[in-house]
Amino acid sequence: DTEVTQTPKHLVMGMTNKKSLKCEQHMGHRAMYWYKQKAKKPPELMFVYSYEKLSINESVPSRFSPECPNSSLLNLHLHALQPEDSALYLCASSQEAGESSYNEQFFGPGTRLTVL
Amino acid sequence: QKEVEQNSGPLSVPEGAIASLNCTYSDRVSQSFFWYRQYSGKSPELIMSIYSNGDKEDGRFTAQLNKASQYVSLLIRDSQPSDSATYLCAVTPRYNFNKFYFGSGTKLNVKP
Repeated sequence: DTEVTQTPKHLVMGMTNKKSLKCEQHMGHRAMYWYKQKAKKPPELMFVYSYEKLSINESVPSRFSPECPNSSLLNLHLHALQPEDSALYLCASSQEAGESSYNEQFFGPGTRLTVL
Repeated sequence: QKEVEQNSGPLSVPEGAIASLNCTYSDRVSQSFFWYRQYSGKSPELIMSIYSNGDKEDGRFTAQLNKASQYVSLLIRDSQPSDSATYLCAVTPRYNFNKFYFGSGTKLNVKP
């Protein structure tokens, strides 16, 4: 089973709202990722968790707050977002946590976020 | 200079032809190379991974890696209209296998 699931599929929020995106994998993968993708652009890395610890933060604004409650779950908490944060938010996971170059990443279906 | 470069296309090929997608990268010590397919409005789907020089075949797909020339390519044989998508090349640097550098993607149109 190479499935990564994400909820919700679509989310519309105002600039003052607080919401969370959720991601789950049951493949025993050791690393999980958050990406942001704007239309006609490649995915842009935001955060990486390895063994449930934050290992990479690509200078993401603090209005995005990641959380890894356990090895299968990854959340992205959103607060005070701006309209330019509207994008497809992708979660990915990989079996290796960076120790090996054989580090295929598998993406979830994404959450389409619109900030009004 | 971008870490990974791809021709944005669109690349148009007739049904049944071979589609050739190319990707160059700037870091000579890059370790791992991946091709993803992304349909409009969907998430990227891993098609191929390649780690050593030469060719790797999987069904209608062949990935080719040439580390000396710093390019990786994807050939799609017997192209089908369902292959029409954006193809993303991703490369990992030697110092951090968690960090993918993506190219901007090549849009492929396969015409019936």
